[in-house]
Amino acid sequence: QVQLVESGGGVVQPGRSLRLSCAASGFTFSSYAMHWVRQAPGKGLEWVAVISFDGTNNYYAEFVKGRFTISRDNSKSTLYLQMNSLRAEDTAVYSCARDQFPWGSRHAFDYWGQGTLVTVSS
Amino acid sequence: DIQMTQSPSSLSASVGDRVTITCRASQTISSYLNWYQQKPGKAPKVLIYAASSLQSGVPSRFSGSGSGTDFTLTISSLQPEDFATYSCQQSYSTPYTFGQGTKLEIK
Repeated sequence: QVQLVESGGGVVQPGRSLRLSCAASGFTFSSYAMHWVRQAPGKGLEWVAVISFDGTNNYYAEFVKGRFTISRDNSKSTLYLQMNSLRAEDTAVYSCARDQFPWGSRHAFDYWGQGTLVTVSS
Repeated sequence: DIQMTQSPSSLSASVGDRVTITCRASQTISSYLNWYQQKPGKAPKVLIYAASSLQSGVPSRFSGSGSGTDFTLTISSLQPEDFATYSCQQSYSTPYTFGQGTKLEIK
């Protein structure tokens, strides 16, 4: 069965960095675009970034552009999110999610991890 | 960026009621509109994709309609397990924005 398991969250001071990982299993990871989505406490879902199935294309929400980097290692079936220059407003549960269909784009997200909490606080 | 606006933000209803949630996009998104259900502490679950296609395993009481800028999610007869938060999302262009969510509560 498809599983997505995030790790790497924690408490970090403003301005510091953190790297999140999402370990995938149960499907051909290298065939699917992958996303990071976040949800601040008590707030709605907020899309963060996407990376194409082969890692050649990625796109970001404006509020993380230049600070966050999405990447993947298809040989390890793992997705990453490098977060630099963290701000208090980045505090949220960060979840990885899979594109519904292989290759292509403009799809819904059909599998989600449970998320990892990132707290940015001094 | 495409803004997604849902209404209402919250809704009280009873088991057996028919419920409709609307989602409006700030510009046309064709049929690239998805609906998710989320329960507290759980990951979102896709219900409807491409505006009107029912995700495998989702009960047929859920349906979606619309195209362009205006979309609806309808639950034909509410069941106890349907009380949750529902969010729309456009996948027409990045950033793939979500609506603010509609919290469906028991009356």
